Amino acid sequence: DTGVSQNPRHKITKRGQNVTFRCDPISEHNRLYWYRQTLGQGPEFLTYFQNEAQLEKSRLLSDRFSAERPKGSFSTLEIQRTEQGDSAMYLCASSSSMNTEAFFGQGTRLTVV
Amino acid sequence: TQLLEQSPQFLSIQEGENLTVYCNSSSVFSSLQWYRQEPGEGPVLLVTVVTGGEVKKLKRLTFQFGDARKDSSLHITAAQPGDTGLYLCAGEDNYGQNFVFGPGTRLSVLP
Repeated sequence: DTGVSQNPRHKITKRGQNVTFRCDPISEHNRLYWYRQTLGQGPEFLTYFQNEAQLEKSRLLSDRFSAERPKGSFSTLEIQRTEQGDSAMYLCASSSSMNTEAFFGQGTRLTVV
Repeated sequence: TQLLEQSPQFLSIQEGENLTVYCNSSSVFSSLQWYRQEPGEGPVLLVTVVTGGEVKKLKRLTFQFGDARKDSSLHITAAQPGDTGLYLCAGEDNYGQNFVFGPGTRLSVLP
């Protein structure tokens, strides 16, 4: 296991379409985070899982966004009816509950046209 | 809400110069992390500081955590073009639920 893996790396979609991103965390990590980052800004927290339980959701996460981690391993982030304002880098990170350090994937760059 | 501020927002220097960037908050953090991010990539963890007053060194990079655990600094000695990137600080919130990020310092080291 070499680290957090995100797919796809890039996604271009038309406004109104649905998109789904996948994150595979470091295998022994039970915590998984989703962040969104726009140009020139730091990552903004979206949601957080401990094992399969979604423990926190940011107010940034509108009802068009949904995240799952069904077996406590990989996670998916779905955006329905995409809008141009959804264009951003979507980052996934994982950590162990025994450790304060979070490790990030390479991100999925979403462009909504 | 715990917030982290970083300064300066942008920094452009010549190769060989020294620099310091800062991460500040009005809140106490149990730990702070520093990340470096290159364009189109995810942040890469550089260091975690946990103890107030702690100093950690990573080659030419020196990280310090403030005594009150509300601030941190990153000092780079003899900067190189390979140091170019976005430097982010992050702290675990008091509930241990998620990481709060600062807006970053964008560093450009010119050859």
